[in-house]
Amino acid sequence: GQQLNQSPQSMFIQEGEDVSMNCTSSSIFNTWLWYKQDPGEGPVLLIALYKAGELTSNGRLTAQFGITRKDSFLNISASIPSDVGIYFCAGTIISNFGNEKLTFGTGTRLTIIP
Amino acid sequence: NAGVTQTPKFQVLKTGQSMTLQCAQDMNHNSMYWYRQDPGMGLRLIYYSASEGTTDKGEVPNGYNVSRLNKREFSLRLESAAPSQTSVYFCASRPGTSREQYFGPGTRLTVT
Repeated sequence: GQQLNQSPQSMFIQEGEDVSMNCTSSSIFNTWLWYKQDPGEGPVLLIALYKAGELTSNGRLTAQFGITRKDSFLNISASIPSDVGIYFCAGTIISNFGNEKLTFGTGTRLTIIP
Repeated sequence: NAGVTQTPKFQVLKTGQSMTLQCAQDMNHNSMYWYRQDPGMGLRLIYYSASEGTTDKGEVPNGYNVSRLNKREFSLRLESAAPSQTSVYFCASRPGTSREQYFGPGTRLTVT
């Protein structure tokens, strides 16, 4: 199946720091989605990107759809304690039958050090 | 508007037992999905249903069956549970006009 490489796998930062993470693929995607998952909960959609080069913000979060359509970036500015969790990228590619399937990265675990 | 709901939240099975995981959505979405999440592996698609009355295999369908009972409900059945099926299972739904999937809270399944 399709592979999404997400990095870094984990981050340990201090409150107030900015955060950057990214996903890369060997395949072209037509959509990039970024999710956050809290312990014991399902993933919650943060940002959706639909066009190459698109830059979209949601509060302190900013995500970009790479120009090559093979990568995406998520930045979090001025981190706060509630940003702790696991962040997943996900991409869709139209299959031969027109049914879109979502492929997930392996996640970036964000921890804030007191 | 509850979104996507899943039952049960937790389940322990013995090897060989069967069970059905239930999923329902009240957002009138066309497509529904079942994923499993294992440590370090992200979410992997088990089965999906693009619309009422249709189902298709995903990346890891072996050992599972699904039923799209109606537009609201999509169930996942384990006929003979195995320890390799210990995982957290998530159901998701997607409206026909969007590529964004919305997830339920998950079912944590342990097979001993």
